[in-house]
Amino acid sequence: AQKVTQAQTEISVVEKEDVTLDCVYETRDTTYYLFWYKQPPSGELVFLIRRNSFDEQNEISGRYSWNFQKSTSSFNFTITASQVVDSAVYFCALGSGETSGSRLTFGEGTQLTVNP
Amino acid sequence: KAGVTQTPRYLIKTRGQQVTLSCSPISGHRSVSWYQQTPGQGLQFLFEYFSETQRNKGNFPGRFSGRQFSNSRSEMNVSTLELGDSALYLCASSKNYNEQFFGPGTRLTVL
Repeated sequence: AQKVTQAQTEISVVEKEDVTLDCVYETRDTTYYLFWYKQPPSGELVFLIRRNSFDEQNEISGRYSWNFQKSTSSFNFTITASQVVDSAVYFCALGSGETSGSRLTFGEGTQLTVNP
Repeated sequence: KAGVTQTPRYLIKTRGQQVTLSCSPISGHRSVSWYQQTPGQGLQFLFEYFSETQRNKGNFPGRFSGRQFSNSRSEMNVSTLELGDSALYLCASSKNYNEQFFGPGTRLTVL
């Protein structure tokens, strides 16, 4: 069985603060993909990043960075110098097995509020 | 490049009715997956279609069904609606197995 846990239900920060969203996953598959999506109030899930199980390199994209650690089954997401526009629900997701990208298991989501 | 489109965006139905939702994937994407999002259960996988065949199915009752057409457009149907079916239904398309792009969703309210 697969499982994704986002222990932080809600996080509130002040603009320009750094914030890290935690994600812990469980799977028995050796090949899998991890994703982060952003869901603004409009409802559409916006793709942020995909990482496969064989690539543990951390990634940075502008103010966003991701830390993938297989040893702890974690895939954490950090926003540096947060902005009000970052306010949204963020989901971590896992896809594994043969159709690893087409059937995703999502975490419960973390509501991030960035206050001015 | 146009994104995933879903119609209608909002829908209100009463218990016992049935509903059909439509999803048009990104051009060139042959896989379409459907998800249900509710406050209580979160985001849950419904089913996935590829080349007009259902390849994966989640743990939902038989009232939930879908199909895919030769142009990759997909529809999902819910029969005998229940109050608990009120949700945001999201469709995602994929070209390969590596990532999914989501549409804006259809918000279904069952009264």
